[in-house]
Amino acid sequence: DIVMTQSPDSLAVSLGEGATINCKSSQSVLFSSNSKNYLAWYQQKPGQPPNLLIYWASTRESGVPDRFSGSGSGTDFTLTISSLQPEDVAVYYCQQYYSTPPTFGQGTKLEIK
Amino acid sequence: QVQLQESGPGLVKPSQTLSLTCTVSGGSISSGSNYWSWIRQPAGKGLEWIGRIYTSGNTNYNPSLKSRVTISIDTSKNQFSLKLTSVTAADTAVYYCARGRDQVAQLDQWGQGTLVAVSS
Repeated sequence: DIVMTQSPDSLAVSLGEGATINCKSSQSVLFSSNSKNYLAWYQQKPGQPPNLLIYWASTRESGVPDRFSGSGSGTDFTLTISSLQPEDVAVYYCQQYYSTPPTFGQGTKLEIK
Repeated sequence: QVQLQESGPGLVKPSQTLSLTCTVSGGSISSGSNYWSWIRQPAGKGLEWIGRIYTSGNTNYNPSLKSRVTISIDTSKNQFSLKLTSVTAADTAVYYCARGRDQVAQLDQWGQGTLVAVSS
């Protein structure tokens, strides 16, 4: 299985400031034939299911605010929130779907400082 | 917009079989290049992918659970189901059903989840 490791495990950011969450895969999730990174980001608020934010590493899902962006390739990826809003308090997960079984990172808890 | 809803017993005895159904509304379970998945999350922990099924009936399972898992689909009812045999307390979790896109890709619609406790 591909192991996904997120950092940090938790972070606290002031409202209006930027937040960066990192995700590293134990092997590349870049599919050479189509140059796509098989990597998604999800947001999970307490008591709710995960919500898809980003797929193909950098494509924003419809309806997701543009303060959320994804970047990276191969084994190293980043989710960036440009200006933290109160509703962004959540746990964020990365997921690879390059190989079966798809695997998730352990999650990063984002709080307001 | 497609919606998914899990249903099934909230309490299962050890060694018995956990059975859940996911009902898809607002669209056909057979449309597009979608697939249908089960994911679980123990309280306070991360997400574990259980398996997926295509409308063809083809399935993929997590090797860690493969010997105990069966996922099936009933396109006439717009439902797919999960059976997990020989459960233990370690199988206590919130179970989510979800829709996947593009054959293998991202999970774009999730059910609200259902808590299943394994206890005598």
